[in-house]
Amino acid sequence: KAGVTQTPRYLIKTRGQQVTLSCSPISGHRSVSWYQQTPGQGLQFLFEYFSETQRNKGNFPGRFSGRQFSNSRSEMNVSTLELGDSALYLCASATGGAGNTEAFFGQGTRLTVV
Amino acid sequence: AQSVTQPDIHITVSEGASLELRCNYSYGATPYLFWYVQSPGQGLQLLLKYFSGDTLVQGIKGFEAEFKRSQSSFNLRKPSVHWSDAAEYFCAVGAYGGATNKLIFGTGTLLAVQP
Repeated sequence: KAGVTQTPRYLIKTRGQQVTLSCSPISGHRSVSWYQQTPGQGLQFLFEYFSETQRNKGNFPGRFSGRQFSNSRSEMNVSTLELGDSALYLCASATGGAGNTEAFFGQGTRLTVV
Repeated sequence: AQSVTQPDIHITVSEGASLELRCNYSYGATPYLFWYVQSPGQGLQLLLKYFSGDTLVQGIKGFEAEFKRSQSSFNLRKPSVHWSDAAEYFCAVGAYGGATNKLIFGTGTLLAVQP
């Protein structure tokens, strides 16, 4: 069974640009969550999608957005990049419609903003 | 508010020694608790989880954790550490408030293993 796949693995962008990250969940999983990991702030929840609907959102500015497609694949977008957006972005997939099921993480996308 | 505290930022143990990583949580009901491990530059791998029932849970790679409601703790243990266990370990609690798979993480404990 394939795991969670995130693409690309590495990205370098310039301040002011925008970026789109992709996540393909485990087959059959309908919940996809995104997290930002930085040395200073640790692992912070960005948002969760379930059946193409955002059902939970963290405390991030509106520059961070996401969506989920009918095949459960998800994308997140960051517009007007800032140096502080440099981070490891992790995607997690889970089965649970009811929530609180175990989440499986991808390898992450390392974003560097210069 | 829900939170997870991992008091130890960095721990060094000798190979073959026992290990205990501490985790305390703040939660208003019966928590869903998890331990994850992360190798440098990699994603998170689930070691074990507690949802209900037996308070001593077994995980992969020889790890176990014990849920103690009276102490709001979920400490991770391993009887004999291997050099390959060197990594960062995160404790997490499942958020409450509707159907969600959102996790709240502790700040992590970096484990070094010396020969």
